[in-house]
Amino acid sequence: AQSVAQPEDQVNVAEGNPLTVKCTYSVSGNPYLFWYVQYPNRGLQFLLKYITGDNLVKGSYGFEAEFNKSQTSFHLKKPSALVSDSALYFCAVRDIIWVYFGSGTKLNVKP
Amino acid sequence: EPEVTQTPSHQVTQMGQEVILRCVPISNHLYFYWYRQILGQKVEFLVSFYNNEISEKSEIFDDQFSVERPDGSNFTLKIRSTKLEDSAMYFCASSPDTGTEAFFGQGTRLTVV
Repeated sequence: AQSVAQPEDQVNVAEGNPLTVKCTYSVSGNPYLFWYVQYPNRGLQFLLKYITGDNLVKGSYGFEAEFNKSQTSFHLKKPSALVSDSALYFCAVRDIIWVYFGSGTKLNVKP
Repeated sequence: EPEVTQTPSHQVTQMGQEVILRCVPISNHLYFYWYRQILGQKVEFLVSFYNNEISEKSEIFDDQFSVERPDGSNFTLKIRSTKLEDSAMYFCASSPDTGTEAFFGQGTRLTVV
């Protein structure tokens, strides 16, 4: 069965430190992988995607994600966190038509 | 920058009433979607729509729900005989094709009382 797992409900990091938000997936065939961010009272905003090509994908707001096929992971990273990065982050995988979202990880960046 | 717009931003309705949630997808997009997010829970896929018909739907999308593209710009979700458990944030999204990212609207918060 297709699925996406975000094992951490919440990630706390100090401003200026690197951050990682974890995502693992299970899907048949080659996955299309996405990260979205949701700010309070806002819709989902696209951050980045992996379709094919380089395993390291760069996206909006300085975020990047690394596709690891052997570990079936697509972790979101940023070298230096900002307080304004505090939000809810969703990993998603697309399989032809269906899109499966992870349960979300709340990122708290403290000054 | 083009964006998906949804109206209203907040809808309160009485249990048993019908509601229509409206969305204007990005104009050159061909695929349209509805998702919902119950407070504190994950985002759930409801339905996808292409070429004026439903292409996929989840088990959540039962006979209570329907979608329509009444003209060239709007994409609506109708919920008949609303229930308390229909209270959620409903997101509309569109994409130019199936392999690319979807662009989401800001959502309509539906509260059933």
